[in-house]
Amino acid sequence: NAGVTQTPKFQVLKTGQSMTLQCAQDMNHEYMSWYRQDPGMGLRLIHYSVGAGITDQGEVPNGYNVSRSTTEDFPLRLLSAAPSQTSVYFCASRQGEGGGEQFFGPGTRLTVL
Amino acid sequence: KQEVTQIPAALSVPEGENLVLNCSFTDSAIYNLQWFRQDPGKGLTSLLLIQSSQREQTSGRLNASLDKSSGRSTLYIAASQPGDSATYLCAVSGNQFYFGTGTSLTVIP
Repeated sequence: NAGVTQTPKFQVLKTGQSMTLQCAQDMNHEYMSWYRQDPGMGLRLIHYSVGAGITDQGEVPNGYNVSRSTTEDFPLRLLSAAPSQTSVYFCASRQGEGGGEQFFGPGTRLTVL
Repeated sequence: KQEVTQIPAALSVPEGENLVLNCSFTDSAIYNLQWFRQDPGKGLTSLLLIQSSQREQTSGRLNASLDKSSGRSTLYIAASQPGDSATYLCAVSGNQFYFGTGTSLTVIP
């Protein structure tokens, strides 16, 4: 099993550009989520999904869109990048919404100029 | 909203010492608590998962305890090694996952 994979590993954008961060998991997990990690603020939940076709907002959803057309994939879209979105982005998955162990991808380091 | 606190924010110990990292949370209605390790520039590696009905979990030199009623968890690391140097994060699972800001551990050879 590859676990949770994310692409790209690094990305530099200019303000106003859009892009999609890719996330895939091969563990047949129902629950997937996106976090951003900023110094001194820990990990904050952006969006999550409890299954294909179902998504919901987390703590910091503004400026991001998600969709879940398959169990395996959960892309995160930045609609119009802003310097405040410079961060490290992590995708995670777990089996079920409640008590399962959560697994993380290696992260995408995004810089918005 | 659930709030998770980890104290201390940073810790430096000599090699071989036993140490305890602390995690506290405000809402005891959790499904589980998970401890992670994060190396600089890397992702999160799961260390231990404690279900809400459990009191502790052990893996090698690591032992994690959970006292749900008091909103506390501890991660005990025995005989620390330089390779244990990393940031340790705890996360509690309710409707969502909530993370603490971590304890940065340095083990000095």
